[in-house]
Amino acid sequence: AQKITQTQPGMFVQEKEAVTLDCTYDTSDQSYGLFWYKQPSSGEMIFLIYQGSYDEQNATEGRYSLNFQKARKSANLVISASQLGDSAMYFCAMSRRGYGQNFVFGPGTRLSVLP
Amino acid sequence: DSGVTQTPKHLITATGQRVTLRCSPRSGDLSVYWYQQSLDQGLQFLIQYYNGEERAKGNILERFSAQQFPDLHSELNLSSLELGDSALYFCASSEQTLAGDTQYFGPGTRLTVL
Repeated sequence: AQKITQTQPGMFVQEKEAVTLDCTYDTSDQSYGLFWYKQPSSGEMIFLIYQGSYDEQNATEGRYSLNFQKARKSANLVISASQLGDSAMYFCAMSRRGYGQNFVFGPGTRLSVLP
Repeated sequence: DSGVTQTPKHLITATGQRVTLRCSPRSGDLSVYWYQQSLDQGLQFLIQYYNGEERAKGNILERFSAQQFPDLHSELNLSSLELGDSALYFCASSEQTLAGDTQYFGPGTRLTVL
């Protein structure tokens, strides 16, 4: 069965600093996708970044980058130049390729950006 | 704004009742997903529909059912409600049903069962 682990329930970072949110996953699938979502206190789920299991380069989207280490089964999110608006819950998720796309989410990490 | 709409935004009801949550996917998206987010269980995948057909089932209770209509909007029906069903229910949509398809989430429906 697929599983996502996020070992940091809460993280603090100083404004303008970089921060890494950890994510490890467990799957026996060869083809899968890895995603990060942000959930601010308002409750909506915002898509941040995607990495395919066969992508050789790490994904980047603006200030977000995904540090993908396939052999270690890790997909850490790096946020550069943190802003106060980055304070939120961050979820790592994995999808499996197949007849139906099934998403598994991790428990989340609450990031607080300090002024 | 993700382009996915959900109604209602808030719903308060009593135990034993039945409610229907509605979702309209982004224009052009064929897949719709339903999730339940509660404090103790986290974000749980319930069910997926693709172009009107059920494609994947997760931790969906037998008291819950869903469907996707020809215009691609979807409804999640929750019956014989219990206190533990209180949660935030998200709908998400994606273009197809491939592993690389990003799911875009609606704003959610907050259900409170009293």
